[in-house]
Order: sequence, then structure tokens, then C-alpha cells
Amino acid sequence: AQSVTQLDSHVSVSEGTPVLLRCNYSSSYSPSLFWYVQHPNKGLQLLLKYTSAATLVKGINGFEAEFKKSETSFHLTKPSAHMSDAAEYFCVVIPAGAGAQKLVFGQGTRLTINP
Amino acid sequence: EAGVAQSPRYKIIEKRQSVAFWCNPISGHATLYWYQQILGQGPKLLIQFQNNGVVDDSQLPKDRFSAERLKGVDSTLKIQPAKLEDSAVYLCASSLAGGRAETQYFGPGTRLLVL
Repeated sequence: AQSVTQLDSHVSVSEGTPVLLRCNYSSSYSPSLFWYVQHPNKGLQLLLKYTSAATLVKGINGFEAEFKKSETSFHLTKPSAHMSDAAEYFCVVIPAGAGAQKLVFGQGTRLTINP
Repeated sequence: EAGVAQSPRYKIIEKRQSVAFWCNPISGHATLYWYQQILGQGPKLLIQFQNNGVVDDSQLPKDRFSAERLKGVDSTLKIQPAKLEDSAVYLCASSLAGGRAETQYFGPGTRLLVL
């Protein structure tokens, strides 16, 4: 079954420093990949998505992710962390060939921002 | 534009009791999803509706869980009887037409605790 693996369950950075959240996927084909963010007591929000167009995808709030087929990775980055970025981040895949729009979520990475 | 609405926000029940959750998707969205998010994990799709028809319910524990979307708008998810392992956040999401990689919009969720 196609899936995603988030390599860190918790990442802690200082405000103003770069953010890197790592995600690897397993797929025989070019999948559709997403990053979602979940703030406490709020619904999941789409940050960005890759659908086989440009490999560098820009999202909301200054986040971007690069699809690297050779490394089967889709890491999320941001040049400068802000306190409001503290949240849970999920890497998500739609398996190729899935008839339904079935999102398969990773385990999540909790991002903590230190002042 | 109003988002996805869910109620109740919190529910505490004892095992073997029944419980129901309600979801009102974004107006005009044909596709509705129910996800289960257990603490420390990513959400898992339980069931997907396209209008009032079921597209995917392969991960719905049908011996105790049921869901309906009779008029193709609101939906209800029911658990009867509840088990301790059903303690989780139940998320409802909707999308415009259910197309591949289409953005899903999530509600705030219902947090269920089974004692």
C-alpha cells in the first residue's frame, strides 16, 4: 500500500530560523502529495499540494515543498519560522490509481517554535 | 463563506452506549468525508459520500459504525455500541466534486471520549 513516512515526530526551532519537516513517500507512480497543518482546536488546513506539475510547490504562509522523485521525498520548508507556525503538520498522499479521493496521512510532526 | 460545521464539539460516553455526530458541509460541495483521528496519529478515512451515495467505506467498522447522507447535504455518523478504542477525534471534510487531488476542507472535529 502506498504511504508516507514523516521522519520526525517532533521538531523544535527558534523563531526566525529555517524550518525543515521531512516526508518520504512510497509509490510506484507519481503520486499526488499534500501538506496539511492542524492548529490546536482548529480544523486541518491545506498548506500546499503537488500534482505532477512544477516540482517546487509554494503554499500559504511562506511554506514550500520540493518533490524529488529520485529520493522519494517531499520535504516542507520555510526560511524563517514565526511563533504562529507552531502546530501539527501532516504529509499526505493520494495513492495512484485510487478511484476515490482517499487521503492517506502520515503520523504527523509537531513543530515547536522557541522565542 | 461558511466552513464545514460539526456538532457536538465534545462528547463523553460510557462503553456500550451509542453516540451520533453531525456534519454540515460547505454549501454546494458534493463530496463528504468522515475521518477518525486517534491521539498521536494522522486521520484515517472512514467513509466517503458522493452526493447521497457511498464511494468508499472500506475502513468503516460496519459492525458498530454507520453513516448516512440521506439528502446529499448533511451527514450523520453513528457508533453503536461504543468501545474504549473508539476514543478519538472525528473529522468531517467536504470537497466540491470529489475529483483527484481536489482540496478537502475540514471541520473542527468532534472529540469523543469513551469511558
